[in-house]
Amino acid sequence: DIQMTQSPSSLSASVGDRVTITCRASQSISSYLHWYQQKPGKAPKLLIYSASSLQSGVPSRFSGSGSGTDFTLTISSLQPEDFATYSCQQDYSTPSFGQGTKLEIK
Amino acid sequence: EVQLVESGGGLVKPGGSLRLSCAASGFTFSTYSMNWVRQAPGKGLEWVSSISSSSSYKYYADSVKGRFTISRDNAKNSLYLQMNSLRAEDTAVYYCARALTGGGIRSLGYDHWGQGTLVTVSS
Repeated sequence: DIQMTQSPSSLSASVGDRVTITCRASQSISSYLHWYQQKPGKAPKLLIYSASSLQSGVPSRFSGSGSGTDFTLTISSLQPEDFATYSCQQDYSTPSFGQGTKLEIK
Repeated sequence: EVQLVESGGGLVKPGGSLRLSCAASGFTFSTYSMNWVRQAPGKGLEWVSSISSSSSYKYYADSVKGRFTISRDNAKNSLYLQMNSLRAEDTAVYYCARALTGGGIRSLGYDHWGQGTLVTVSS
């Protein structure tokens, strides 16, 4: 099974900051990597699919990059509504999620 | 508007069974793969099972293999998860989610999710 490791597990940042979250796969997954945002009590929301493609309706301040084993999610300028938990997911093989990164207000 | 509505959750004793349903609307259900993802209280997301659009392919997490069965009825626009031999560690909110795939497990992400249904396994 492919293990997904996110870093950091939690992050404090301010409105307007540029934030980067990293996801590492235990083996190569090509570009079969997706990013989700989840707010408390709500279902996850797809932000980025296939490592770098922006899901329809998602603000352009979100971007994704990477291939193989190392991937990043970047938020260029944090907005108040961006404070949430972010998770990566691979489905190159049997799907698996990272443990999540909780983004909190500084 | 795409809608996915889960039902069937509740409190069940260890060793018991439960059948979850997911009613889909607002899209052509028969053209999408469907998935179950769960989230234990205070924990991260865990993929549970996936089924291809025509039910040709079914996939399961090792943690549920042999106990859970995924199925779908394209005529009823419905997805199901039969859960048997339930354990305390199966306690979670269960989400159904749709995915566009080429038939296998690889997708363009899970682009729509239901609101989830809570399954609690406790004596």
